[in-house]
Amino acid sequence: DSGVTQTPKHLITATGQRVTLRCSPRSGDLSVYWYQQSLDQGLQFLIQYYNGEERAKGNILERFSAQQFPDLHSELNLSSLELGDSALYFCASSVTSGTETQYFGPGTRLLVL
Amino acid sequence: AQSVSQHNHHVILSEAASLELGCNYSYGGTVNLFWYVQYPGQHLQLLLKYFSGDPLVKGIKGFEAEFIKSKFSFNLRKPSVQWSDTAEYFCAASAAGNKLTFGGGTRVLVKP
Repeated sequence: DSGVTQTPKHLITATGQRVTLRCSPRSGDLSVYWYQQSLDQGLQFLIQYYNGEERAKGNILERFSAQQFPDLHSELNLSSLELGDSALYFCASSVTSGTETQYFGPGTRLLVL
Repeated sequence: AQSVSQHNHHVILSEAASLELGCNYSYGGTVNLFWYVQYPGQHLQLLLKYFSGDPLVKGIKGFEAEFIKSKFSFNLRKPSVQWSDTAEYFCAASAAGNKLTFGGGTRVLVKP
């Protein structure tokens, strides 16, 4: 158990819908990262927040957005869902935004039908 | 552009065999290197990491990796695998900013 929690574990929804994935970082970690793991794209970095502010952006679609709240938990919002958004979405956390180890949560498996 | 490549997509071997998984990276400047493992149905777990110092890094579960700067490589090794090592292994790299760039992963199947 890494100490990073994610909810829900599984999510099944329809195309065009909007979902919210939630992540709680390890106690004391200020940075949260979101990654998408899909069969065709592999593991890709989406976005990073540090202490409530966006710090880095990766291959994140405009239909996707995220935020980090004062209690440091983060939410990833996925809207206008398409079949190709079906994937495993991981959250990771680290102490700061420097070069440290990231600890991963169990992921949310999203299936868009 | 930063990239990480893993040589093998699938590896099948028998218990007690030795394992070596290749990883090459393309990064400018200082790079931090990681190997993560994903057991079936589970999340990514850190096996080992290299930031600086001794290029031979020892991790958990008997794994080790060697950083060879001249070859831009960070290969993972285990002298004798067990059935429980069946998993997918990911090499990853990060520079400033800490976002991880992952390789495509190598699925390892250890036959009992």
